[in-house]
Amino acid sequence: QITLKESGPTLVKPTQTLTLTCTFSGFSLSTSGVGVGWIRQPPGKALEWLALIYWDDDKRYSPSLKSRLTITKDTSKNQVVLTMTNMDPVDTATYYCAHYGDYNFQHWGQGTLVTVSS
Amino acid sequence: QSVLTQPPSVSGAPGQRVTISCTGSSSNIGAGYDVHWYQQLPGTAPKLLIYGNSNRPSGVPDRFSGSKSGTSASLAITGLQAEDEADYYCQSYDSSLSGNWVFGGGTKLTVL
Repeated sequence: QITLKESGPTLVKPTQTLTLTCTFSGFSLSTSGVGVGWIRQPPGKALEWLALIYWDDDKRYSPSLKSRLTITKDTSKNQVVLTMTNMDPVDTATYYCAHYGDYNFQHWGQGTLVTVSS
Repeated sequence: QSVLTQPPSVSGAPGQRVTISCTGSSSNIGAGYDVHWYQQLPGTAPKLLIYGNSNRPSGVPDRFSGSKSGTSASLAITGLQAEDEADYYCQSYDSSLSGNWVFGGGTKLTVL
């Protein structure tokens, strides 16, 4: 059974850096073809893909946010970390991590709501 | 504005059939990349509903089906049930600068 869970601050101030951790079980991020992605959803709005890291440490970022994002993995801990710099109120959203394979996001975490406010 | 275009809302009575369209372009759906569909029930995380254009993960009822043609895809739901009321999102891969993985704007399904 594959499970994922996001953790991190629920409130950050503008200009601060957000660090979110995805802790997963039921699969290995060293298995060929597997990845973990981050997707966010502002309140009442659509899903937006942010970043993805593959089993071989290949990393992909949304072009519009690339300068602000960093994704890393710790295979031994079954964790993936996303950092987003220079947070703004428009970044208020629920952030999801998801298990990736075959070009789709097969299993999702429950999500964590991050509010950006002073 | 989303790279993939979906109608904001659709509705249908219990037992009816509804379809949700997803329109892309030559850099995503039209380039041959698969379309996947997600169901997001109120207050919950998205769940994979259809993968690879028309395949259902284990546990998804066969009332849900998907298809793809050209630069568009569709999700069909037959025998509509109250518990189908949710937001539905299509997703594909894009080879342009728009981003690698792209989602539609989402469609709110209301069961009348």
